[in-house]
Amino acid sequence: DVKVTQSSRYLVKRTGEKVFLECVQDMDHENMFWYRQDPGLGLRLIYFSYDVKMKEKGDIPEGYSVSREKKERFSLILESTSTNQTSMYLCASSPPLTSRTDTQYFGPGTRLTVL
Amino acid sequence: QKEVEQDPGPLSVPEGAIVSLNCTYSNSAFQYFMWYRQYSRKGPELLMYTYSSGNKEDGRFTAQVDKSSKYISLFIRDSQPSDSATYLCAMIKTSYDKVIFGPGTSLSVIP
Repeated sequence: DVKVTQSSRYLVKRTGEKVFLECVQDMDHENMFWYRQDPGLGLRLIYFSYDVKMKEKGDIPEGYSVSREKKERFSLILESTSTNQTSMYLCASSPPLTSRTDTQYFGPGTRLTVL
Repeated sequence: QKEVEQDPGPLSVPEGAIVSLNCTYSNSAFQYFMWYRQYSRKGPELLMYTYSSGNKEDGRFTAQVDKSSKYISLFIRDSQPSDSATYLCAMIKTSYDKVIFGPGTSLSVIP
């Protein structure tokens, strides 16, 4: 069974703190994604990765960085959190984009609150 | 104008009702259309996947795509309280492109 796990379900941080969100998938997928989800705005893509050590900016990369040292892990880093980064963060993975049946499998999400 | 629009709801229906969820989009290049279901405090999960225009049925769920009108729908027959969730439409232009999600419609099925 497909599985994407995220390191934390809930996090509360103070402004300026560093946050490290880790995502692990066990499906040997090449592609991994980080989204944030906010009411009324839907899912917005922050960063994605097509391969180990490769990363591409999504629609809203400012204030975030990522790391993909191993195929199964994709980390999202917030170097210095701000209150506008309070959100639900969702990780996803998918098979290679050459597949016509590619879909994204999502983790359970991390609800981050920045005070 | 957003690429994909979806009425956020909330939509509340009695158990057993037929539910119609809809999305409109602006870019005629979209070819692959998906519906995701997201329960509260969970990540989205794929419900239906269709390519181009037409209908696709899976149990109580039917996905419909009308490319000429740039309109997609998800119908739920005999709705159940367990169908209460947020439903996200999503679409991509080609297999190489990123997925574009609608903002989601919140559905409550009342017993």
